[in-house]
Amino acid sequence: QVQLVQSGAEVKKPGASVKVSCKVSGYTLTELSMHWVRQAPGKGLEWMGGFDPEDGETIYAQKFQGRVTMTEDTSTDTAYMELSSLRSEDTAVYYCATDLFDYGWFDPWGQGTLVTVSS
Amino acid sequence: EIVMTQSPATLSVSPGERATLSCRASQSVSSNLAWYQQKPGQAPRLLIYGASTRATGIPARFSGSGSGTEFTLTISSLQSEDFAVYYCQQYNNWPPRTFGQGTKVEIK
Repeated sequence: QVQLVQSGAEVKKPGASVKVSCKVSGYTLTELSMHWVRQAPGKGLEWMGGFDPEDGETIYAQKFQGRVTMTEDTSTDTAYMELSSLRSEDTAVYYCATDLFDYGWFDPWGQGTLVTVSS
Repeated sequence: EIVMTQSPATLSVSPGERATLSCRASQSVSSNLAWYQQKPGQAPRLLIYGASTRATGIPARFSGSGSGTEFTLTISSLQSEDFAVYYCQQYNNWPPRTFGQGTKVEIK
């Protein structure tokens, strides 16, 4: 079964960048499609982007285009999400989540990484 | 973009009672809808996919129904561990994959 383990909490200043990692075990990264979802404090879930196997490309939500980069290191089965030009509104828990067979739903999820943006 | 709207925002239910949660899509998503449960401090957990299929290990008291634009998640007899926030998510048309804003099920 797939397990996802994310990197630890981060505190960043406005304007900085953050890079969150997500280590996959139980499957290799090439066998699944990885997505990223964030959740601001007390708010709902917001899809940021993920791998589209039909195009073979990573698709980003329009809101984050130009600021987010999702990459993968297949040698270590680790996915990364980097968000730049951070602002206070980016304070959130960031989750990686797998779409294992490209069916469309997310299962399982990583445990989440809290990113706090504060001066 | 398909907008998902959940109602009510908060549902107060006594243990042992039935809970009915609604999710509406701004356009048809066929049966391409999932439900998740999220408890405080935890990641979301998949409950239902394909609008009505329970994920592995999900108790039978959870059931999903609907297609097109109207969906329902029913918890037949609420247990203490079921008090949580529930989200629907469509995967029929993406990007983006969109979530509802959530329904909090609280103890009455």
